[in-house]
Amino acid sequence: GAGVSQSPSNKVTEKGKDVELRCDPISGHTALYWYRQSLGQGLEFLIYFQGNSAPDKSGLPSDRFSAERTGGSVSTLTIQRTQQEDSAVYLCASSSGQVANTGELFFGEGSRLTVL
Amino acid sequence: AQSVAQPEDQVNVAEGNPLTVKCTYSVSGNPYLFWYVQYPNRGLQFLLKYITGDNLVKGSYGFEAEFNKSQTSFHLKKPSALVSDSALYFCAVRDRSGGSNYKLTFGKGTLLTVNP
Repeated sequence: GAGVSQSPSNKVTEKGKDVELRCDPISGHTALYWYRQSLGQGLEFLIYFQGNSAPDKSGLPSDRFSAERTGGSVSTLTIQRTQQEDSAVYLCASSSGQVANTGELFFGEGSRLTVL
Repeated sequence: AQSVAQPEDQVNVAEGNPLTVKCTYSVSGNPYLFWYVQYPNRGLQFLLKYITGDNLVKGSYGFEAEFNKSQTSFHLKKPSALVSDSALYFCAVRDRSGGSNYKLTFGKGTLLTVNP
């Protein structure tokens, strides 16, 4: 596609349920990032994938959060046993191998998660 | 560790007046610096970046930013604001000497409102 695609755009779930958020990066982009945007908290880094290297998981807030990237393309962020504090907009971004060195990221429109 | 501070949660300016959105950063080495903009109900868009060279960087939509190493600042400016510039602005930093650390650290964002 022309841009980074995320689904679902909106997700409402009950506390304790598991959710999966999907990101389809720009074709050919080797770097993929997940960020979380909460009101008043800015953008919080969650995880970074680059090619076949081990992902940087340093931003995942707890072991309920995990992410994978299959075939170097599509990524899924999974949140297990969701809590109300997980409510946020989850943003995915990708960049090419070259601009990964300088940081120009292309963002999707996000998945808004609401945990009741 | 790297960090970004955007001291103003909100900035209000009249259309036609100059605008400034402030950003200060902290990195252990030299920085790559970025501004991103988020229009209502849209994803984040890259606006401009400082990598090296001229301290005054020009970006999209008439925006510019000046890298000031002594003050560790990277303020965003525009000579004449438009109502359509109203949006949420994020400053971001990456440590140039971070090696394989491609993680961008974002500020909490500044909501710019341009009044007609």
